[in-house]
Order: sequence, then structure tokens, then C-alpha cells
Amino acid sequence: AQSVTQPDIHITVSEGASLELRCNYSYGATPYLFWYVQSPGQGLQLLLKYFSGDTLVQGIKGFEAEFKRSQSSFNLRKPSVHWSDAAEYFCAVGPPGGNKLTFGTGTQLKVEL
Amino acid sequence: GAVVSQHPSRVICKSGTSVKIECRSLDFQATTMFWYRQFPKKSLMLMATSNEGSKATYEQGVEKDKFLINHASLTLSTLTVTSAHPEDSSFYICSARDLEQGALTNYGYTFGSGTRLTVV
Repeated sequence: AQSVTQPDIHITVSEGASLELRCNYSYGATPYLFWYVQSPGQGLQLLLKYFSGDTLVQGIKGFEAEFKRSQSSFNLRKPSVHWSDAAEYFCAVGPPGGNKLTFGTGTQLKVEL
Repeated sequence: GAVVSQHPSRVICKSGTSVKIECRSLDFQATTMFWYRQFPKKSLMLMATSNEGSKATYEQGVEKDKFLINHASLTLSTLTVTSAHPEDSSFYICSARDLEQGALTNYGYTFGSGTRLTVV
């Protein structure tokens, strides 16, 4: 069965600092990988996704993620965080050819001004 | 872009009553919708897959008679929590697939804003 681990429950960064949110997955092959963001009272918004090809994926709002097969990781990064980035971030995986997403437990990002 | 509206955003009900949550795709047709439940400090757990015009497919451990799902049209799916109990209190989120996103396996999903259910 596929699973996703987000080791950091909470992360606090200063505005303007760089950010990296960790995501590790367990799956028999290479799954499709996703990062979503959830603002309070809002639904999930897709930041980026990886299906195949270039392992560095660019997303919306200045986010990027790098797929590392050897580490079974898909960490999310942003060079300079803005106060509006404070939200909950979910990593998710889905089997190629399937349609069901498995989510991690989320990382709550707090941005200090 | 595709928009999914979920209603109500918050609901408080008495134990033993039933609550209906609606998930609507506003500007696209959705043959498939998904219902998730999110516990505090926990990830989203898929409850069921709702297909228009057919019975929903429930995940293991989810009570079909407890969580009734109806997907009567291409733009509306409903989740009814029957005989609600305090342990049913949770955040419920739906997602829908836009047909124009291509194959289902492209995971082109749009999520609703969720419903906070509190059973007292």
C-alpha cells in the first residue's frame, strides 16, 4: 500500500527566508506526486505535480519541488517566503493509471514578519 | 478555472439527527467526485468515490449506511451523515474531476472548501 510521510508537523520561518517542506513516500514504483496548500477554511489548491521527466518541478506561487527517487522524497521549496504563504501544506501520491490520492498528515507553516 | 462549491461550510447538529452536505461543480461537469474526511492533525482520508448515475464506491472501514452518498447529476454529489454521533464530528472535503482535464488518471481534481461538522 502506498503511504506518505511529512515529518514536520509545524514549521516557522521568517518572511523572506527560504523554505523546504519534507515529503517521503512509500510505493512499489514511482507514483505520481503532488503538493497541495490549504488555507484556513478553504479547500486544497494544487501547487505542483510530478508525473515523469525532469525531476525539478515548478509550480504556482514561486514553489518548486524535486523528486529524488533514491530517497523516495518529493520536498517542496521556496526561495523567499511571503507572509501570505502561511497555510497547511499536504503532500500526496497517486498510482499511475489510478485515480485515488493518498495524503500525508500535512505541515503547518507559520511565517513570522 | 474550475470551481467546486461545498455547502454548508459549517454545521452543528444534535446527536441522532442527519446532516446533508452538498458538493457542486459550478462551471464544469464532474462524472467523478471524491469525499474525504479530515481529522485534526491527521491527513485527509478518502471515504468514497462517487460516480454520477451509479452507486458510490466506499473505502474499507467506511460505513455505507452511515455515510450516504448520492451523485444524481454531473454537477452535484451529496453526502448525508445519518444518525450523527459526536465521533462523526470532523472536516469533510469533496473533490471533483473536470472532464476537460482529460483522463481520470491525470488527477485533475478541484477541491471544495470543506464542511466543518460538529455533532453535539
